[in-house]
Amino acid sequence: EVQLLESGGGLVQPGGSLRLSCAASGFTFSSYVMSWVRQAPGKGLEWVSTIDAGGGSTYYPDPMKGRFTISRDNSNNTLYLQMNSLRAEDTAMYYCARAPRLYRSFDIWGQGTMVTVSS
Amino acid sequence: EIVLTQSPGTLSLSPGERATLSCRASQSISSSYLAWYQQKPGQAPRLLIYGASSRATGIPDRFSGSGSGTDFTLTINGLEPEDFAVYYCQHYGSSYTFGQGTKLEIK
Repeated sequence: EVQLLESGGGLVQPGGSLRLSCAASGFTFSSYVMSWVRQAPGKGLEWVSTIDAGGGSTYYPDPMKGRFTISRDNSNNTLYLQMNSLRAEDTAMYYCARAPRLYRSFDIWGQGTMVTVSS
Repeated sequence: EIVLTQSPGTLSLSPGERATLSCRASQSISSSYLAWYQQKPGQAPRLLIYGASSRATGIPDRFSGSGSGTDFTLTINGLEPEDFAVYYCQHYGSSYTFGQGTKLEIK
């Protein structure tokens, strides 16, 4: 079964850091582009970051540039998101998602991990 | 940056009816990179349609997508109780963007 399982969320103070992980199984992880997408409570979906299959290229929208770092370990089938200088507006459910290059959509999603930034 | 605007914000229908959801882009986009997702409360989104009109694996044929240029439509024929959810469109251009969502609720 194709599966993504996120972990690492929790409560963090403003200005703090957190590293999220996403364990992949049931498919050849090293062959796929992977992404993070977040959803603030009661709000819509927002793209956070994308990394190519080999890990050599990463992409971010402007609000995340310089604060968030996406990476992957293909030997352990794991995706990461390092988040620094966290703000209250980063409070959200964070989903990892598989993003096949052909149609640039997100075809498999994890169940999400909640990040709360609050003092 | 391309903006996707979904309408209506909320759609109230009864089981068995047809739902028509709209996604309008601020400029012409490639239909190859237009997708639709369904999200139920407490769950992750699920891919329904990719490439504007291709159903994802396991998606019932009552779901269909169409459109080109700036106007795209998700149609659900014969609404089932499990179809009442929030629906998002998404596009990839130089980055990934989502519409704000349409809530499909039971009338």
